[in-house]
Amino acid sequence: AQKITQTQPGMFVQEKEAVTLDCTYDTSDQSYGLFWYKQPSSGEMIFLIYQGSYDEQNATEGRYSLNFQKARKSANLVISASQLGDSAMYFCAMWTISGGYQKVTFGIGTKLQVIP
Amino acid sequence: KAGVTQTPRYLIKTRGQQVTLSCSPISGHRSVSWYQQTPGQGLQFLFEYFSETQRNKGNFPGRFSGRQFSNSRSEMNVSTLELGDSALYLCASSSDRASGNTIYFGEGSWLTVV
Repeated sequence: AQKITQTQPGMFVQEKEAVTLDCTYDTSDQSYGLFWYKQPSSGEMIFLIYQGSYDEQNATEGRYSLNFQKARKSANLVISASQLGDSAMYFCAMWTISGGYQKVTFGIGTKLQVIP
Repeated sequence: KAGVTQTPRYLIKTRGQQVTLSCSPISGHRSVSWYQQTPGQGLQFLFEYFSETQRNKGNFPGRFSGRQFSNSRSEMNVSTLELGDSALYLCASSSDRASGNTIYFGEGSWLTVV
């Protein structure tokens, strides 16, 4: 079965500092992909970054980077230069193929609070 | 390019009533998925529709149903509402490649059952 584990229920970070949000995954599939989403209190899930299992380089999108360690089955999100607007829930997710179609599994999320 | 649009954003229903939520996917996306999010259970997959056919389904009772129209717009319906159905319902759309599709979410519909 596919599983995403986020072990940090809550994290604090000082404004302008970097923060790492942990995500480990479990799958026996060779082909899969990993996402990170941000969910502010308004509810919308905002796509941040994507890493495919065959991508050799770590994905980066502006201040977001994904530290992909395939052997450890981890896909940590690194946010550099934190801003107050980064305060939100962050979800790690993984797609795998189930029944011939893409299926997505989500972690339980990490609540990040940025302190001025 | 417009994002995923969900209506209504907020609604209050009483126990026993039914509710219909609507989702318009990103133009060109034919896959639409629905999720229920509650504080205690996190994000739970309800079902996925592709080209008007349900092709994946989560573990929810038959009170939860959905459909997709020929223009890819989707609706989900919950009948005989229970207090525990109070949640944020999120719709997501993606393109129809075999794999590696990024899914994009709407702003969600906040349902409160009283």
